[in-house]
Amino acid sequence: GAVVSQHPSRVICKSGTSVKIECRSLDFQATTMFWYRQFPKQSLMLMATSNEGSKATYEQGVEKDKFLINHASLTLSTLTVTSAHPEDSSFYICSARGPPRETQYFGPGTRLLVL
Amino acid sequence: LAKTTQPISMDSYEGQEVNITCSHNNIATNDYITWYQQFPSQGPRFIIQGYKTKVTNEVASLFIPADRKSSTLSLPRVSLSDTAVYYCLVAVNQAGTALIFGKGTTLSVSS
Repeated sequence: GAVVSQHPSRVICKSGTSVKIECRSLDFQATTMFWYRQFPKQSLMLMATSNEGSKATYEQGVEKDKFLINHASLTLSTLTVTSAHPEDSSFYICSARGPPRETQYFGPGTRLLVL
Repeated sequence: LAKTTQPISMDSYEGQEVNITCSHNNIATNDYITWYQQFPSQGPRFIIQGYKTKVTNEVASLFIPADRKSSTLSLPRVSLSDTAVYYCLVAVNQAGTALIFGKGTTLSVSS
């Protein structure tokens, strides 16, 4: 199946700093990518839809100014957590639809720890 | 939005066949049913997808009755490495693009 990668796999930062997470579709082009967040022992929660060449669409309750999304090419979307705080510590997972039948494939995830 | 219901947890032993059933009573006509597997600290991995009847691949089988209100994921001869959370997905978000996750089924395989 199609492959989605993420970088970094884990990051530790100080409170108040910003962190950028990259999501790439390796063997297919994705006009749309998705960002999820997962807290321990919980299911994945959709944060936003990243659209190539246009603004991201955020789910209700997700702060667009805090979670900046850029989808500058057909294979790359980035999520920047601005002014991170300990409560932003979580597992962030990106996803993209690929062949066949626009199946949704997921990246390996990025573990963010804010101290 | 179609909602799915599946058991919170299941236990099995190595070598057994495991069947996980998911109900999705208000599935839409054009919805596919997709199952994912997730290990701790990893992204979900695509297992199988189907629309109706039966689908089989090298990993699992998916059985979907004619009314499509439920589906059953069948894992033949499970091993310890099949211990994971399994998600049955039908729902997409309001924009109709992204999959929405339910709670999933935690499968524990013992020796």
